[in-house]
Amino acid sequence: AQSVAQPEDQVNVAEGNPLTVKCTYSVSGNPYLFWYVQYPNRGLQFLLKYITGDNLVKGSYGFEAEFNKSQTSFHLKKPSALVSDSALYFCAVRDGGYGQNFVFGPGTRLSVLP
Amino acid sequence: EAGVAQSPRYKIIEKRQSVAFWCNPISGHATLYWYQQILGQGPKLLIQFQNNGVVDDSQLPKDRFSAERLKGVDSTLKIQPAKLEDSAVYLCASSLDGRAGEQYFGPGTRLTVT
Repeated sequence: AQSVAQPEDQVNVAEGNPLTVKCTYSVSGNPYLFWYVQYPNRGLQFLLKYITGDNLVKGSYGFEAEFNKSQTSFHLKKPSALVSDSALYFCAVRDGGYGQNFVFGPGTRLSVLP
Repeated sequence: EAGVAQSPRYKIIEKRQSVAFWCNPISGHATLYWYQQILGQGPKLLIQFQNNGVVDDSQLPKDRFSAERLKGVDSTLKIQPAKLEDSAVYLCASSLDGRAGEQYFGPGTRLTVT
């Protein structure tokens, strides 16, 4: 069965600094990987995904993530954090075989300090 | 384009009562998901529909939870009878592609069981 780990419950970063939110996964086949963000009092929103191809994927709001097969990781990054990036971030994975359970990680709370 | 609609937004019931949630996905989205999100955790997939057929319901507690998607559009999720541990936010999402497509989430229904 697939699983997702987000090793940090909370990440604090100063505005203007680069940010990284970590994600590692476990699947038996090829992974389909996703990042979602949940702002306060708002629904979950899609940020980016990796299905196949280039290991570096770019998404909404200047975020990007790098797929690393050998380390089974899919870390979310942004070169310069904004206060408005403060939110709850979820990594999710599905095994590439159809019908496999879609699994979310426990979430990482990002706080960007002015 | 209208987003995923859910109702009600909030519901408070006593244990052993029944409750139903409604979801209207984005027009044209064949895949519909129901998730349970307990406070402080990531969303847990309960059931996935492809049109009006069930793709995955492996984590749905079938002794008390049921879901249907008649005509492949709207969906309802029912709990009967409710337990205290069912207190959570119930999220509905839809996507064009049930394997690799990004999911669009509704605002959720916050259920409190007393």
